[in-house]
Parts: sequence; structure tokens; C-alpha cells
Amino acid sequence: SQELEQSPQSLIVQEGKNLTINCTSSKTLYGLYWYKQKYGEGLIFLMMLQKGGEEKSHEKITAKLDEKKQQSSLHITASQPSHAGIYLCGADNPGSARQLTFGSGTQLTVLP
Amino acid sequence: DGGITQSPKYLFRKEGQNVTLSCEQNLNHDAMYWYRQDPGQGLRLIYYSQIVNDFQKGDIAEGYSVSREKKESFPLTVTSAQKNPTAFYLCASSPPGLRRELFFGEGSRLTVL
Repeated sequence: SQELEQSPQSLIVQEGKNLTINCTSSKTLYGLYWYKQKYGEGLIFLMMLQKGGEEKSHEKITAKLDEKKQQSSLHITASQPSHAGIYLCGADNPGSARQLTFGSGTQLTVLP
Repeated sequence: DGGITQSPKYLFRKEGQNVTLSCEQNLNHDAMYWYRQDPGQGLRLIYYSQIVNDFQKGDIAEGYSVSREKKESFPLTVTSAQKNPTAFYLCASSPPGLRRELFFGEGSRLTVL
């Protein structure tokens, strides 16, 4: 089955700083999903990427999928305390219908 | 508003007891999922169901059971056979089609005393 590795595991930044979270797959990514989770709550869908080289943005968050479709990055510009939480990437699992494999998550803390 | 409702949000149980976590959705989604989340380990799939009266084991099904008698409901029972049940449990559903975007409930935190 597909394995996703996220880095870093945790990240502490000062408000206003930019940051990047990476998600690397052991296999070709056919669909890559980014989610955000507040501690003790459910996951909120952020973006989905499918095509090599694809890039999507929502407010100050930009996600990219590399041309080889094995790595995705999530970039936050001018971070705010509201960006704090756990960011998880999830990938379509070609070996099984209708389920995602998730990375272990990146814990983001933004200091005011 | 449409969404997924999990209950209870917090649950305490003694060792040897079975406990059932509720998951209800009004999104009219066919597929529903149960995930377990432990610190630093991301989400692991317990069971999933693509249609009423049918479900499949995920990666960590041992010690758990589910039912899918109605499209809206997908309860998860944590049995006494589950050796390490203390965790955060997340229910999700997804719409039909090629996109596998998951819609999540708020989660249930189970603590075994």
C-alpha cells in the first residue's frame, strides 16, 4: 500500500513568517488531499491536487504537486495564529476503492 | 446544514466493556469510514462501507465491529478484544464519483480506565 511521509513533524513559527510542509509518497500520487485539523476536532478539507505540476491556492495557503507526482508541498504565507493546527496529507490508494492513506501529520504552532 | 455527527464526543469505559460510537450523516453519501488517530501516527482505517448492508475491514479492524443498516448511520463498536482502545475516533463519508474527498465528523475520544 501507499505510504506518505510528512515533514517536519512539528513546526513553530513567529506570526508573519512563511512556512512549508512537505508530503512525500512512496508511489505515484493519483490524487493528493490536504486537510487541516484543530486539536481534538475533525478534519477540514483544504485542497486536492491531481495533475503533475498543479498548484492551487486558497487565501494564504498554496499547495503544489511536483511534476513526477510523488511529492506535494503546502506553503503558508504570512502565517497567523489561526493557521495553527495539524496539517495532514492524504492520497488515493489505487489498490482499494474509495479510501485514502494519510501521512502522520505536521503540528503547526504560530506564536503571536 | 448537512454534515456528519459523531457521539459521544468523550467516552470513558472500563476494561472488558464494549462501547458503541455513533456516526450519522445527512449528506446522502454512500461511502462511510471509521478512522483511528493516535498521536504522531496520523489516521488509520478501521472499517469502511461503500453501500448499505456491506462493509469491509480496513488496516486495523481487529477488536472492532460495525454495521450499516441505514445509509445515514455507521456505528462502530469497540469490543473488549481491542487491546489498546484509548484513542481518538473519526468518522467520515464521501460523495459518489471519482473524487475521494472525505467529510469528517468532530470525532469521539475514548478513554479506557
